[in-house]
Amino acid sequence: KAGVTQTPRYLIKTRGQQVTLSCSPISGHRSVSWYQQTPGQGLQFLFEYFSETQRNKGNFPGRFSGRQFSNSRSEMNVSTLELGDSALYLCASSEGRMNTEAFFGQGTRLTVV
Amino acid sequence: AQSVTQLGSHVSVSEGALVLLRCNYSSSVPPYLFWYVQYPNQGLQLLLKYTSAATLVKGINGFEAEFKKSETSFHLTKPSAHMSDAAEYFCAVLGGSYIPTFGRGTSLIVHP
Repeated sequence: KAGVTQTPRYLIKTRGQQVTLSCSPISGHRSVSWYQQTPGQGLQFLFEYFSETQRNKGNFPGRFSGRQFSNSRSEMNVSTLELGDSALYLCASSEGRMNTEAFFGQGTRLTVV
Repeated sequence: AQSVTQLGSHVSVSEGALVLLRCNYSSSVPPYLFWYVQYPNQGLQLLLKYTSAATLVKGINGFEAEFKKSETSFHLTKPSAHMSDAAEYFCAVLGGSYIPTFGRGTSLIVHP
């Protein structure tokens, strides 16, 4: 079974631009969650999608958004990028809603300059 | 609200020595607790999980953790460290909100 795939692995953007990150979950997994990892704030939950609906959202501004497609693939979008958005963005998938075994992708390293 | 505290941002051990990584949590409901490992430039891999069954949980790679409700702790141990255990370890709690909270991580350094 293929694991969680995140694309791209690395990305460099300029302040003010927007970016879209993609996550393909493990086949059969219906829940996809997104996390931001930075040295200063650690690992923070962004949001969770299950069956194309956002089920939970962390404490992030509205510039961070996401969606899930009928095949469970998910995208997250960050608009009006700020330097502080530079981070490793991780996606995790699980069979059910935030169930007890989430599988993580390798992440997308976003650098905002 | 829930929270996780990992004592020690860095833990250094010799190869073959006991590994002990500390995690204390707070949660308003009986929690699920997890330990994850992260290698450089990789995502997180689940080591083990506590889901209100046995309090002593065995995971992969020889790691285990014991849930102690009275101490609100979920420390991770391994009897004998291996060089390949060098990585970042994260403790996480999942309460009734389904929003996970992660600790700040502990970097395990293994000396030959």
